[in-house]
Amino acid sequence: DTEVTQTPKHLVMGMTNKKSLKCEQHMGHRAMYWYKQKAKKPPELMFVYSYEKLSINESVPSRFSPECPNSSLLNLHLHALQPEDSALYLCASSQESGMMGTYNEQFFGPGTRLTVL
Amino acid sequence: TQLLEQSPQFLSIQEGENLTVYCNSSSVFSSLQWYRQEPGEGPVLLVTVVTGGEVKKLKRLTFQFGDARKDSSLHITAAQPGDTGLYLCAGPDYGGATNKLIFGTGTLLAVQP
Repeated sequence: DTEVTQTPKHLVMGMTNKKSLKCEQHMGHRAMYWYKQKAKKPPELMFVYSYEKLSINESVPSRFSPECPNSSLLNLHLHALQPEDSALYLCASSQESGMMGTYNEQFFGPGTRLTVL
Repeated sequence: TQLLEQSPQFLSIQEGENLTVYCNSSSVFSSLQWYRQEPGEGPVLLVTVVTGGEVKKLKRLTFQFGDARKDSSLHITAAQPGDTGLYLCAGPDYGGATNKLIFGTGTLLAVQP
């Protein structure tokens, strides 16, 4: 199974709502990522989990809260978002960096299209 | 800071034409990857180039890694509408010491039938 799945596909939320994005992979990858992507731009890294521990937080506002319940699952909890947070949110996974013969090639899910009203 | 600049930023061509996309940096990368992202989907890995001077072919797509490992190119022969998408080069940050990937600025390709 070389697939990364993300739910929901689309999400519309108000600025006072609390919602969660979910991501799952069954490739045995021990690194998982959240990216934010605006239209026609490259993905911007938000968080990296390595062996289920948060290893990189790219100075993301606290209204975004990641969680890694186990090695296959990654969540992104959303609270009090702003309209400028509307974007495509991508989850990805990879082999852990430093493993022999790996080059941090990342496998992406289809994304969640988030609209904040 | 390692940066990857892609050119052109936008490209609109007719079906059957050839094109080349460039990915350049002032830094040495241990490897470079190319991804294609179709509208409404996540990026999909096309290829990884590892050795300076390496050339890899994937059907009508030819990828090259510069001798000094600071640049790469993607050449598409006889482009088809299905090639439409955002093309991204990417390389491991600090030679892969972290899990971070540095993404290029992106090239948006539209192939008209």
